[in-house]
Amino acid sequence: DGGITQSPKYLFRKEGQNVTLSCEQNLNHDAMYWYRQDPGQGLRLIYYSQIVNDFQKGDIAEGYSVSREKKESFPLTVTSAQKNPTAFYLCASRSRHLDEQYFGPGTRLTVT
Amino acid sequence: RKEVEQDPGPFNVPEGATVAFNCTYSNSASQSFFWYRQDCRKEPKLLMSVYSSGNEDGRFTAQLNRASQYISLLIRDSKLSDSATYLCVVTTNTGGFKTIFGAGTRLFVKA
Repeated sequence: DGGITQSPKYLFRKEGQNVTLSCEQNLNHDAMYWYRQDPGQGLRLIYYSQIVNDFQKGDIAEGYSVSREKKESFPLTVTSAQKNPTAFYLCASRSRHLDEQYFGPGTRLTVT
Repeated sequence: RKEVEQDPGPFNVPEGATVAFNCTYSNSASQSFFWYRQDCRKEPKLLMSVYSSGNEDGRFTAQLNRASQYISLLIRDSKLSDSATYLCVVTTNTGGFKTIFGAGTRLFVKA
């Protein structure tokens, strides 16, 4: 059963702690993306990766870091430098042969 | 000007109504066009691709007008389950591949 998984669904952290969000896909997609969505707002691109061992900053990369060591995995670390990390985080992937993206179920991060 | 603009909404319609969503994009070199649906507190899901010839999937019809840089989505005989946010999505490949999501239009279908 192919798809994109994100874990955990809900995550709670104290301010000042780094936290890593997981994103795994078994769709054999080359490109992967991380978005942030705040309540009532649209999607904002954090980072993306077109191939393994390569990634680029999106529109709001400050306070975040990523790695792409395997094609299947694109973890996102929310660092303590991110001023307002509480949000809904969505991971997506895309085949290099197609233009549409497919999303994971998201992780809702709350930092207090 | 935003690269992809949608009606701000929300739209409140009774069951059975026909509702139209509009979207404009700024880059005339845009190459692919989609409508996604996002339910409350869930991930966006691909609803349908949009072609110049228009395409229909049951109660849903999508149209693209490249000359006017305009995309539309029509929902006929709306159901309660159609209540969601509808996102217009455009891709471009000028200076690198890019996907641009509209802010979305919220639809409430009432009994």
